[in-house]
Amino acid sequence: DVVMTQTPVSLSVSLGGQVSISCRSSQSLVHNNGNTYLSWYLQKPGQSPQLLIYKVSNRFSGISDRFSGSGSGTDFTLKISRVEPDDLGVYYCGQGTQYPPFTFGSGTKLEIK
Amino acid sequence: EVQLVESGGGLVQPGRSLKLSCVASGFTFSNYGMNWIRQAPGKGLEWVAYISSGSSYIYYAETVKGRFTISRDNAKNTLYLQMTSLRSEDTALYYCARSGRGFDYWGQGVMVTVSS
Repeated sequence: DVVMTQTPVSLSVSLGGQVSISCRSSQSLVHNNGNTYLSWYLQKPGQSPQLLIYKVSNRFSGISDRFSGSGSGTDFTLKISRVEPDDLGVYYCGQGTQYPPFTFGSGTKLEIK
Repeated sequence: EVQLVESGGGLVQPGRSLKLSCVASGFTFSNYGMNWIRQAPGKGLEWVAYISSGSSYIYYAETVKGRFTISRDNAKNTLYLQMTSLRSEDTALYYCARSGRGFDYWGQGVMVTVSS
């Protein structure tokens, strides 16, 4: 199984600031078809997870350009710029390249200072 | 608007069975693979099962293989999860989620509590 390791476990940021969340996979997430199926999700308090980023760097419909994804192979990063109050919650990375099983990171909790 | 609405959860004794449903609307259900993903209280996300659009491909997490069965009825736009031999560690909020660009749409979740 592909193990997804997220760091940090939690972080605190001031409004308007910028944060980065790291996600590392135990195996390359490059699929045979050349795509890399690494996604980022945000679970706001009391809500279902929502897709932010798919295939490393593609923002899902309606997602602000303050969210950006990057990386390749086994190392990936989610950056959030100009942090807003509505950004708080738990961020998860997930892989859909080598399945089953689909696997998620353990989450990064973002708090607003 | 894409909507996924789960139902069927509740309190069940260990060893008993439960069947979850997820009714989809706002998209052509028969064109998409679907998943069940769960979240134990205070924990992270755990993928449980996947079924392809035409039910040809079905996958399970090792933790539920042999006990859970995923199925779908495309005529009814409904996804199911039959859960048998339930254990306390199956206690979780169960989400259905569409396989699109990643897990692109999620339901609100349905709680399953396994306890005597």
